[in-house]
Amino acid sequence: QKEVEQNSGPLSVPEGAIASLNCTYSDRGSQSFFWYRQYSGKSPELIMFIYSNGDKEDGRFTAQLNKASQYVSLLIRDSQPSDSATYLCAASPNTGNQFYFGTGTSLTVIP
Amino acid sequence: DAGITQSPRHKVTETGTPVTLRCHQTENHRYMYWYRQDPGHGLRLIHYSYGVKDTDKGEVSDGYSVSRSKTEDFLLTLESATSSQTSVYFCATSPTSRGENEQFFGPGTRLTVL
Repeated sequence: QKEVEQNSGPLSVPEGAIASLNCTYSDRGSQSFFWYRQYSGKSPELIMFIYSNGDKEDGRFTAQLNKASQYVSLLIRDSQPSDSATYLCAASPNTGNQFYFGTGTSLTVIP
Repeated sequence: DAGITQSPRHKVTETGTPVTLRCHQTENHRYMYWYRQDPGHGLRLIHYSYGVKDTDKGEVSDGYSVSRSKTEDFLLTLESATSSQTSVYFCATSPTSRGENEQFFGPGTRLTVL
């Protein structure tokens, strides 16, 4: 079983704070990792992907990957109420393109 | 959304009836996927396709079949719907098989089996 685990939350942060979302995965063959955002009643949309150890920044979002610890995280700086959504972590091997999704973390940003 | 549409968007059906969901893409992506999303389970892969007439099973394929006769269309069929198949179904596409390539999701189909 190739599991991806996330804390389901809910996670609440005040507007302007840093939100930290975490994900662990069981399959050491996983090579690429993705963070999707899903608003209620909508489909998932990609925020970031990462496949090298370390940090990757894109605007207010930073993805962090530690393959030795099998750990992926997403930091959202200067959180906004519009960031309130469920965040899905996904892992994929380098071939085959099958994604394994976590159950998602619900984030609420309080104005 | 990479030009992905799903039909129908909502469907209510009765136990034992056949149901077909359609996914249509205009991006010429080679890979297509069907997921179901249920509370507490996240997104789970049902079947996927890596080309016309090339399909394979995912993690929760029992009770489902798929067909892909054209690059742009991927059909999911529930031969005899059961209440446990009540769910939201998402289609996704991807242009290549390389691991860092993202999947694009359609808007979803909400299926209720009574």
